Amino acid sequence: DAGVTQSPTHLIKTRGQQVTLRCSPKSGHDTVSWYQQALGQGPQFIFQYYEEEERQRGNFPDRFSGHQFPNYSSELNVNALLLGDSALYLCASSRRQTYSNQPQHFGDGTRLSIL
Amino acid sequence: ELKVEQNPLFLSMQEGKNYTIYCNYSTTSDRLYWYRQDPGKSLESLFVLLSNGAVKQEGRLMASLDTKARLSTLHITAAVHDLSATYFCAGYLAYSGAGSYQLTFGKGTKLSVIP
Repeated sequence: DAGVTQSPTHLIKTRGQQVTLRCSPKSGHDTVSWYQQALGQGPQFIFQYYEEEERQRGNFPDRFSGHQFPNYSSELNVNALLLGDSALYLCASSRRQTYSNQPQHFGDGTRLSIL
Repeated sequence: ELKVEQNPLFLSMQEGKNYTIYCNYSTTSDRLYWYRQDPGKSLESLFVLLSNGAVKQEGRLMASLDTKARLSTLHITAAVHDLSATYFCAGYLAYSGAGSYQLTFGKGTKLSVIP
């Protein structure tokens, strides 16, 4: 049973560029959340997708956007990259909270470096 | 807004010793999660605490939740080197109208167990 898979593993971009990160949730999961983890910090919630809609958003600017597809996979897009966007981006999946008390399952993350 | 504070942030302990990591949170949280992260790796779920007075144990780790004090603890018994990692607690905030939720993580406790 495949867990949460993310691609790519590493990415190097320059300031001002745009990036797309991808996530496939664990089998049986329909909800995807994205987190940004700066070096030495805890993950910070970016947003959550369910039924192809953004359901909740953390304190991140509109440069951060996402999408969820009918197969529950998701993308995170970041426009106009800044040096401060350098971080580990984690995708987590779960079943919709109404039906499950289980924890979110995290992928291995995408390490994004901005030069 | 839910805020989560962990202490200590760094912990160096000898093998065989006991210690406790504390997690305080600012507002009502239905659930409390503990995760482990090894260097360069993703987050691994350790415990999900669902109610006041909940206690869960796995090996040398035991977690508890006091919702009245807004406090969770992670107790380490007779530490071994393999427990060296960063431990995060995360509070859970549900948005019932939207059917969504988010996790708010503490900054993490970096544990080093010295032989």
